[in-house]
Amino acid sequence: GNSVTQMEGPVTLSEEAFLTINCTYTATGYPSLFWYVQYPGEGLQLLLKATKADDKGSNKGFEATYRKETTSFHLEKGSVQVSDSAVYFCALFYGNNRLAFGKGNQVVVIP
Amino acid sequence: KAGVTQTPRYLIKTRGQQVTLSCSPISGHRSVSWYQQTPGQGLQFLFEYFSETQRNKGNFPGRFSGRQFSNSRSEMNVSTLELGDSALYLCASSLEASLVYEQYFGPGTRLTVT
Repeated sequence: GNSVTQMEGPVTLSEEAFLTINCTYTATGYPSLFWYVQYPGEGLQLLLKATKADDKGSNKGFEATYRKETTSFHLEKGSVQVSDSAVYFCALFYGNNRLAFGKGNQVVVIP
Repeated sequence: KAGVTQTPRYLIKTRGQQVTLSCSPISGHRSVSWYQQTPGQGLQFLFEYFSETQRNKGNFPGRFSGRQFSNSRSEMNVSTLELGDSALYLCASSLEASLVYEQYFGPGTRLTVT
């Protein structure tokens, strides 16, 4: 089936540190991949997307590259800010507007 | 352009009752999807509507139902509420159902069943 796996547990890091959140997927065909972010008390916001292999999505300093050979879409940011504290979800689109989400990772950035 | 709106934002219900949640999509968006978010199961797809027709349904019991109106607004209904139905219910709208378009999410309705 179609599924997304994110690394376990929250991520705590200091301001200006480098952030990586791992995401791997299982899918038939070549799904589009997304990262969503959820701030406390809010819905999900689309952060970035990639629709085919080797595509790099980027937004607000975040980047992720669609790696077909490793079925991965890891999220990275070079220098995080306190305002980046949120929950990050990796998702894949598998047709007829269905998204399969990973479990999410809580990111806490300490000043 | 106004975003996706959901009403009410918070609800408290008792076991056995039923509840109706509402979602108004972004103007011009004809597809509306619903998701349930819980700490244990994460985000799970409930169903998707396009032009008043349910196109897809997730793996939820028949107590969960929905509909879409001609103006694309959507409602979901949960009957005979159970404690396990306590969750954040999110709806998302998108411009077209057949292609990969971004889904835009509302703030959600927080349902608590006591």
